[in-house]
Amino acid sequence: IVLTQSPGTLSLSPGERATLSCRASQTISNNNLAWYQQKPGQAPRLLIYGASSRATGIPARFSGSGSGTDFTLTISRLEPEDFAVYYCQQYGSSPLSFGQGTKVEIK
Amino acid sequence: EVQLLESGGAFVRPGGSLRLSCVASGFTFSTYAMSWVRQAPGKGLEWVSAISGSGGSTYYTDSVKGRFTISRDNSKNTLYLQMNSLRAEDTAVYYCARERDSSGYFDDWGQGTLVTVSS
Repeated sequence: IVLTQSPGTLSLSPGERATLSCRASQTISNNNLAWYQQKPGQAPRLLIYGASSRATGIPARFSGSGSGTDFTLTISRLEPEDFAVYYCQQYGSSPLSFGQGTKVEIK
Repeated sequence: EVQLLESGGAFVRPGGSLRLSCVASGFTFSTYAMSWVRQAPGKGLEWVSAISGSGGSTYYTDSVKGRFTISRDNSKNTLYLQMNSLRAEDTAVYYCARERDSSGYFDDWGQGTLVTVSS
């Protein structure tokens, strides 16, 4: 399954809302989609699994939604530490696959 | 606290071999499936290989089949990736990652180890 993330780069100010999209080339079974955050020089960090469940310790400003082929990660109000690259990943079919990433940068 | 510590990354010539290791602590290693995920410089994430908790089942992305071998030693809480016939396109940071509930998504990651393949 090919995952296409949009936009490639999102330029926003702290306090603004961020909406990131992940579109799959075919239906992802059981909404088996995860979102990760990666900061420069760091490993990815799990944010969301099962399309909408927050991982342990993830703030409530992060939310996931969607089903089938269209999924969204929303950050309700951007904090300075949220500026990073975000990846979606599907685990409904083999091989596992990631999107190409969306960079959220400070405007 | 879960910790995953990779090692073994190095500079190697095309056609060469390397073995990566990932030592796990802070959880019952044998009950978790594990994966290797790589990231080429300035690029996105790519799943490479996975292994079940017992080690009895292994999986690979097509581009490494026949060249890479994933294994684990549960008595040593260690995951391995034997990489043979290395190519320039294998250059990447290699992360080991723990699969949550053997589901296919990753709830903990190591810090990564860099493999550089170049002539």
